[in-house]
Amino acid sequence: TQLLEQSPQFLSIQEGENLTVYCNSSSVFSSLQWYRQEPGEGPVLLVTVVTGGEVKKLKRLTFQFGDARKDSSLHITAAQPGDTGLYLCAGAADYGQNFVFGPGTRLSVLP
Amino acid sequence: DVKVTQSSRYLVKRTGEKVFLECVQDMDHENMFWYRQDPGLGLRLIYFSYDVKMKEKGDIPEGYSVSREKKERFSLILESASTNQTSMYLCASSLSAVAYSYNSPLHFGNGTRLTVT
Repeated sequence: TQLLEQSPQFLSIQEGENLTVYCNSSSVFSSLQWYRQEPGEGPVLLVTVVTGGEVKKLKRLTFQFGDARKDSSLHITAAQPGDTGLYLCAGAADYGQNFVFGPGTRLSVLP
Repeated sequence: DVKVTQSSRYLVKRTGEKVFLECVQDMDHENMFWYRQDPGLGLRLIYFSYDVKMKEKGDIPEGYSVSREKKERFSLILESASTNQTSMYLCASSLSAVAYSYNSPLHFGNGTRLTVT
């Protein structure tokens, strides 16, 4: 079974700060997705990355897929309280295979 | 927008009871999934289904069964609830893999928090 690790597990920062969270594995993934889950709701897809070295931007969020497709990072610029939530990464080993989820990074952005 | 609806937000059941968790999606998705979410463990796949009347075991199927009689509905059944099944249960759906060049995104419901006492 493939495992995904995420770090840090918890992060509490002030509004306006920048941050990076990480998703790592010893396995190669054909695609990797990032989800955000707010309290009381299900996870919502933020982005899918499929190519090694790929960088995608979603407003203040920047996602990068590692060259070897074993890891990914999410960078948030000028964090806002609305960014608060649980950030989950999920990887699929092969096209058509089910996703494996990491344990998540719980982010709290204080006003 | 895809809507995945789970019938209950909160459930409290007694040990040994049979429990049904219902999930309905409205976007004609082929794939449906049941996960449980526990702190520090992430989402773990219990069962999934790629078609009506089809079911496959996920990573932690023990103590659970599923039913998919109609394309839009996927039910999770706890035959005899136990305290270690206290958890958040999330249902998800997605398009068939052939619709995308990569694994299609999962659309989640808002979860059912089950407490077994």
